[in-house]
Amino acid sequence: DTGVSQDPRHKITKRGQNVTFRCDPISEHNRLYWYRQTLGQGPEFLTYFQNEAQLEKSRLLSDRFSAERPKGSFSTLEIQRTEQGDSAMYLCASSDRASGANVLTFGAGSRLTVL
Amino acid sequence: GQQVMQIPQYQHVQEGEDFTTYCNSSTTLSNIQWYKQRPGGHPVFLIQLVKSGEVKKQKRLTFQFGEAKKNSSLHITATQTTDVGTYFCAGPNSGGYQKVTFGTGTKLQVIP
Repeated sequence: DTGVSQDPRHKITKRGQNVTFRCDPISEHNRLYWYRQTLGQGPEFLTYFQNEAQLEKSRLLSDRFSAERPKGSFSTLEIQRTEQGDSAMYLCASSDRASGANVLTFGAGSRLTVL
Repeated sequence: GQQVMQIPQYQHVQEGEDFTTYCNSSTTLSNIQWYKQRPGGHPVFLIQLVKSGEVKKQKRLTFQFGEAKKNSSLHITATQTTDVGTYFCAGPNSGGYQKVTFGTGTKLQVIP
């Protein structure tokens, strides 16, 4: 296992289009997190899964954002009707209680640019 | 909601000087974690502190967790150019939820 994988690494889209990002966590990790990071800022929490259950979702997340983890393994984050303000790095992280509560291993991120 | 602030926001030091960043949470934390993000990279876990008043060292890095479990600090002795990056504290609140909130970060620049 090589860590947390994210795809695509870069995505350029036009305003109004839908985009989807995929995250493959470390295989034995049952917790998966999505964060958003803009330049010069810290990672901002979006949502969190334990296995396939989405346990928490940020109130900052609009209805245009949806995340799934159907089989408790990989996860997808979809943004509908993208806006220029959605331009950011979308980071996925996973953790496992056995390895230390909430210690996050991040992927390299998916950078979104909305034109 | 929970807020985690860090000061300073930026720090430029001459190589060999010491560096300290401070982290303050608006709520009590069950644990505190520190991450380092190199320019163009993603956050990488450094250490976790769990106990009130805990102090841990990693070579030139010293981490401390406050007695009230609401603040923390990271001190680097004799900085090197490899220490360049942004340092984030992060932690879940003590309410039993697993959401990990990140601090605002301190960007360290080391001048050779």
